[in-house]
Amino acid sequence: EVQLVESGGGLVKPGGSLRLSCAASGFTFSSYSMNWVRQAPGKGLEWVSSISSSPTYINSADSLKGRFTISRDNAKNSLYLQMNSLRAEDTAVYYCARVGPGGLYSGSPLDYWGQGTLVTVSS
Amino acid sequence: SYELTQPPSVSVSPGQTASITCSGDKLGDKYVCWYQQKPGQSPVLVIYEDTKRPSGIPERFSGSNSENTATLTISGTQAMDEADYYCQAWDSSTLYVFGTGTKVTVL
Repeated sequence: EVQLVESGGGLVKPGGSLRLSCAASGFTFSSYSMNWVRQAPGKGLEWVSSISSSPTYINSADSLKGRFTISRDNAKNSLYLQMNSLRAEDTAVYYCARVGPGGLYSGSPLDYWGQGTLVTVSS
Repeated sequence: SYELTQPPSVSVSPGQTASITCSGDKLGDKYVCWYQQKPGQSPVLVIYEDTKRPSGIPERFSGSNSENTATLTISGTQAMDEADYYCQAWDSSTLYVFGTGTKVTVL
């Protein structure tokens, strides 16, 4: 059974940093591209960042570039999101999601999602 | 940047058909998928590549995509289908683009 378990969320002050983790199991993690997607309270889904399986290719939402960095450790079956210079508008539930078998640049859907971890940015 | 627009809400009676639209420029040239999200839960993929259903998704869920509009259709809607639904398309520059979301209410 595919499982994605996020951790690392919490309360952080504006300007602070946080590192989110996503532990993957039930599939060959090193063969799949991965994503972070966030959802502000009461709002819709927003793509944050993607990383290919190798991880040769990385891409992030333009509005977040320079502050958020996605990475992965295939030996540890883990995905990460380093978030710096956090702002109130970054408050959201952050989901990790697996890209389907077709891969990152083939338009494959996000076929499995974790339960999410809540990040609250407030003084 | 590429944008996808959905109606904020759709109401449907039990057993009837609900149709949720997703509009975007030349959307028919892209693959569209749909996610269902129930309150307090993570999104679940219900349609991918315009018309395909993942295993475990009921046959009452179907999709289409042509020109500038993709449509998710729920036939014989059940109370358990009450949820938010998001369309999503893939764009070579912004990768994953999500629609604005539609709340489906089963009255």
